[in-house]
Amino acid sequence: NAGVTQTPKFRILKIGQSMTLQCTQDMNHNYMYWYRQDPGMGLKLIYYSVGAGITDKGEVPNGYNVSRSTTEDFPLRLELAAPSQTSVYFCASSYPIVGPMNTEAFFGQGTRLTVV
Amino acid sequence: ILNVEQSPQSLHVQEGDSTNFTCSFPSSNFYALHWYRWETAKSPEALFVMTLNGDEKKKGRISATLNTKEGYSYLYIKGSQPEDSATYLCAFSAGGTSYGKLTFGQGTILTVHP
Repeated sequence: NAGVTQTPKFRILKIGQSMTLQCTQDMNHNYMYWYRQDPGMGLKLIYYSVGAGITDKGEVPNGYNVSRSTTEDFPLRLELAAPSQTSVYFCASSYPIVGPMNTEAFFGQGTRLTVV
Repeated sequence: ILNVEQSPQSLHVQEGDSTNFTCSFPSSNFYALHWYRWETAKSPEALFVMTLNGDEKKKGRISATLNTKEGYSYLYIKGSQPEDSATYLCAFSAGGTSYGKLTFGQGTILTVHP
C-alpha cells in the first residue's frame, strides 16, 4: 500500500518557469491537501479538495493552481515561479470514502523546490 | 483567517522530565482537533484525532486533552526521552461551510537532552 506519493522529490526552477507537483493517493480518501513548509511557520495550507471536482483556497493560494479530476490525483501547478515559492511542499489526504469517519491526515514525503 | 496558535514555540528539557504544550483554536465550526509528530527529514504522523469536548487520549507516555468550548488542547509527554525530540503540530479540522479544511499551528519544537 503506497499511501500518498509525491513527485518529484527535488526540483530547481528558474524564475518565471512553470511546473506541476504531482500527488496521488491509493487510500480512497475524499479529502486532499497541499501545504508548504516555511521555517518557523509550520505548515501553511495552499489549496484543499473535499472530493473530485471540488477545490478551495487555503491560507496562501496566490501563485498556485490545482485541479481534482479524479479521487486519486491532486496536482499543484506553479505558473510563474518566484523566489518566494522556494519551500518544501507536502501533499496529504484524509477521510475514507468508505468506512469510519476519520479525518486523520496521511502525508507524502515532500517535494523540495528551489526557485533561482 | 483561521488562527491556530501553539505555545511554546520551542522547548528544551532533560531526559526524564515531563512536559506539556498548548494549542488554541477557534471554538466555532469545530469538527476535530489533531496532534501530529514531525521528525526531521520525515513527514508528519498523526498521534491523536479528538472530536468531543472533554476527550482525553493516550498513547504510551503521550496524552492529550480537548476543550472545544474554550478552544484549547494540551499535549503531555511523561518522562521525556531523547527519541521524543521532534516538532509537535496541532491542526484544526473545520466543519460547517469550511468542512474538510485542515489548518495547522506553527508547531512546538521539543528537544530532549540526555
